[in-house]
Amino acid sequence: EVQLWASGGGLVQPGGSLRLSCSASGFTFSTSAMHWVRQAPGKGLEWVSVISGSGDGTYYADSVKGRFTISRDNSKNTLYLQMNSLRAEDTAVYYCAKADCSRIGCKRFDLWGRGTLVTVSS
Amino acid sequence: DIQMTQSPSTLSASVGDRVTITCRASQSISDWLAWHQHKPGEAPKVLIYKASSLESGVPSRFSGSGSGTEFTLTISSLQPDDFATYYCQQYSSPSLTFGGGTKVEIK
Repeated sequence: EVQLWASGGGLVQPGGSLRLSCSASGFTFSTSAMHWVRQAPGKGLEWVSVISGSGDGTYYADSVKGRFTISRDNSKNTLYLQMNSLRAEDTAVYYCAKADCSRIGCKRFDLWGRGTLVTVSS
Repeated sequence: DIQMTQSPSTLSASVGDRVTITCRASQSISDWLAWHQHKPGEAPKVLIYKASSLESGVPSRFSGSGSGTEFTLTISSLQPDDFATYYCQQYSSPSLTFGGGTKVEIK
């Protein structure tokens, strides 16, 4: 079965760090660009970042640029999001999503994963 | 960033009703638009891509139309499994953006 599932969320203090993971199965992971999308409590969806299938291209929303780093390990079929200098406004459920091709410009989602909750609070 | 505006924000309907949700883009996005269904605690689900193409496995009661700045999602006959929140999403620009969502509730 083709599926994604995110993990690694939790409670972190403002200014702290957290690394999220997204595990993939059922498809050739390296042939898909991957995205992170988040949803703050009671709010809509906000796109966060994308990485190409090979991992050599990345792009970020302005709201996280310089604080978050997206990466992937194709040998482990896993996507990561390293989140540093966390703020209260980063509190959200974080979802990973698969694109339908591998280039950095591949933006059509064809699969979402279950999310993981990140809470930034003292 | 391209702003996406959905209406209505909440919709009350009965099983069997025809339901239409509208999405407007702040500038032309051609047909680079997707619709997603989201239920609490679940992964969102892709319904429509390229404005009118049905994702594999999605029931044919879902349809999408539009181009440029005006788009619609139609559910021809609402089923119990369709009560959820629906989001439009543009993928024309490098920074993807979503509409604010339309919650479809039981009337």
